[in-house]
Amino acid sequence: EIVLTQSPGTLSLSPGERATLSCRASQSVSSNYLAWYQQKAGQAPRLLIYSASSRASGIPGRFSGSGSGTDFTLTISRLEPEDFAVYYCQQYGGSPLYTFGQGTKLEIK
Amino acid sequence: QVQLQQWGAGLLKPSETLSLTCAVYGGSFNGYYWSWIRQPPGKGLEWIGEINDSGSTNYNPSLKSRVTMSVDTSKNQFSLKLNSVTAADTAVYYCAREDCSDGTCHDFDYWGQGTLVTVSS
Repeated sequence: EIVLTQSPGTLSLSPGERATLSCRASQSVSSNYLAWYQQKAGQAPRLLIYSASSRASGIPGRFSGSGSGTDFTLTISRLEPEDFAVYYCQQYGGSPLYTFGQGTKLEIK
Repeated sequence: QVQLQQWGAGLLKPSETLSLTCAVYGGSFNGYYWSWIRQPPGKGLEWIGEINDSGSTNYNPSLKSRVTMSVDTSKNQFSLKLNSVTAADTAVYYCAREDCSDGTCHDFDYWGQGTLVTVSS
């Protein structure tokens, strides 16, 4: 099983600041099939980034993804109030086919 | 606009069978894989398994012995059954469409609203 470890567990920042979230895989992610999701309380996750660096439809340009192999990063360039949520990374291609990281909570400082 | 609407029993007793159905509206059903994902209260996400329009399935090995997925293409619906449930199966269950835009399905671009299933005696 490919284990995804996200850091930090909680990130406390202010609106307008830059957020950098990390996701590290226990082995190389196939074809960089690494995605990022945003989840707000009581809602389903929303796809932000797929294939490590491609923005999903309708996602603002302040969200960007980077990385390859085992180390991936989600960057939010300038935090808006609506960005405070929990973020998950997810990989495809291992066994099981899909696994998720444990999440990073982005909270208002 | 693709929409997934799911339903099923929300309260089960230990040893009963969880049964959920997800209907797809506003987009093609064929040519995609459709997944079930669950999230225990206050915890992270766990992929349960997937099915395509032909009925081909892949399950999470940790749940494989208890999971059955099926599809009804005439209604654009797919279903999940999980037998012999215990309190550890208490979670919000989501159905989701896998993004297959480049020929390989590798993430989830549309999600159902989620169904809280509680297992309690």
